[in-house]
Amino acid sequence: DTEVTQTPKHLVMGMTNKKSLKCEQHMGHRAMYWYKQKAKKPPELMFVYSYEKLSINESVPSRFSPECPNSSLLNLHLHALQPEDSALYLCASSQVAANTEAFFGQGTRLTVV
Amino acid sequence: ILNVEQSPQSLHVQEGDSTNFTCSFPSSNFYALHWYRWETAKSPEALFVMTLNGDEKKKGRISATLNTKEGYSYLYIKGSQPEDSATYLCASHQGQNFVFGPGTRLSVLP
Repeated sequence: DTEVTQTPKHLVMGMTNKKSLKCEQHMGHRAMYWYKQKAKKPPELMFVYSYEKLSINESVPSRFSPECPNSSLLNLHLHALQPEDSALYLCASSQVAANTEAFFGQGTRLTVV
Repeated sequence: ILNVEQSPQSLHVQEGDSTNFTCSFPSSNFYALHWYRWETAKSPEALFVMTLNGDEKKKGRISATLNTKEGYSYLYIKGSQPEDSATYLCASHQGQNFVFGPGTRLSVLP
């Protein structure tokens, strides 16, 4: 199984809503990542979890709150988002070493209204 | 901030043509250079991970080279097919940073 599964595929939320994005992999990868991708731009790294601990937070606003409850799951909790947060949110996983490929999910298309 | 650049931004070739494009990155604190292929409505797919200066990797009609001293990598596609149409992203891992380039959008016309 070389899949990274993200749910939901699409999400529309209001600025006062609380929602969560979910990511799951069963490849035994101990590094998991959240990326944000705006139209016609490359993916931008948001968070990295290594061995279920947050190792990188790329100065992401606190309205985005990541959580890694176990080695297979990665969540991104969303609260009080702004319309400019609308984007494709990609999850990826890999072995911890730098020279290994990352496997990406198909992403969640988020629209904040 | 790590600056990863790719050129050209977009490229149109005829089926059967060979093509190549470039990724450039700072040469300091280099760990690895990744190439991904990203088709519309699909997830990015890893093509290569390269770490050593002078590395050359090949997968079918696609190959890549790496020069870590001058900070560039080339991706080559031999005999392009319509199914090669996609955005090709490189990403550089340097120190704590893992940064994607803006991508090269390839369209192969039948």
